[in-house]
Amino acid sequence: QKEVEQDPGPLSVPEGAIVSLNCTYSNSAFQYFMWYRQYSRKGPELLMYTYSSGNKEDGRFTAQVDKSSKYISLFIRDSQPSDSATYLCAMRGGVGGSNYKLTFGKGTLLTVNP
Amino acid sequence: KAGVTQTPRYLIKTRGQQVTLSCSPISGHRSVSWYQQTPGQGLQFLFEYFSETQRNKGNFPGRFSGRQFSNSRSEMNVSTLELGDSALYLCASKIGTGNTGELFFGEGSRLTVL
Repeated sequence: QKEVEQDPGPLSVPEGAIVSLNCTYSNSAFQYFMWYRQYSRKGPELLMYTYSSGNKEDGRFTAQVDKSSKYISLFIRDSQPSDSATYLCAMRGGVGGSNYKLTFGKGTLLTVNP
Repeated sequence: KAGVTQTPRYLIKTRGQQVTLSCSPISGHRSVSWYQQTPGQGLQFLFEYFSETQRNKGNFPGRFSGRQFSNSRSEMNVSTLELGDSALYLCASKIGTGNTGELFFGEGSRLTVL
């Protein structure tokens, strides 16, 4: 079983739709959870960074973490064509742990159609 | 503030050759990590450097190596290139090492091995 599983899509939605992107993980040592957005031929850029279980909101984006289920989500409200990109979940261990590296999902390709 | 800068952005090599990629982190960032991104495997951690020392290493063969200079700039080298080394190589920096701080990525060096 891979440490992080993410549905690669592709996911195609109309403009204005609510988008839900998800990842599951198996390593209970993961404590920090991130979502990155990657446009074609660009490097990933950090969208959301969370630690605890629960929700974190930033504008049209909401990150949700459920550590008991080992499940994280990213919701995009009022999606725009400019949101079309690959979305990568990433996670790593807690402070003081030896697991410094980020472990990424394979990414979900999202297209928002005007 | 300038972001993470990687050079070259694109390069083509043939099997058996070697390649050196360069990364300049964000000013003030002392940790540099390298990742390989391929369609099949996604983003995979190569290694992390902090204060000119390798702090963490992923599961890649010894053909992949790196170093960091006193000004925090980093290089990675791949010797005896194989077709499977074709990938986007991403450099990322953050302020400190360990499991704290956000990771910022460059736009990558796209390597094609023929």
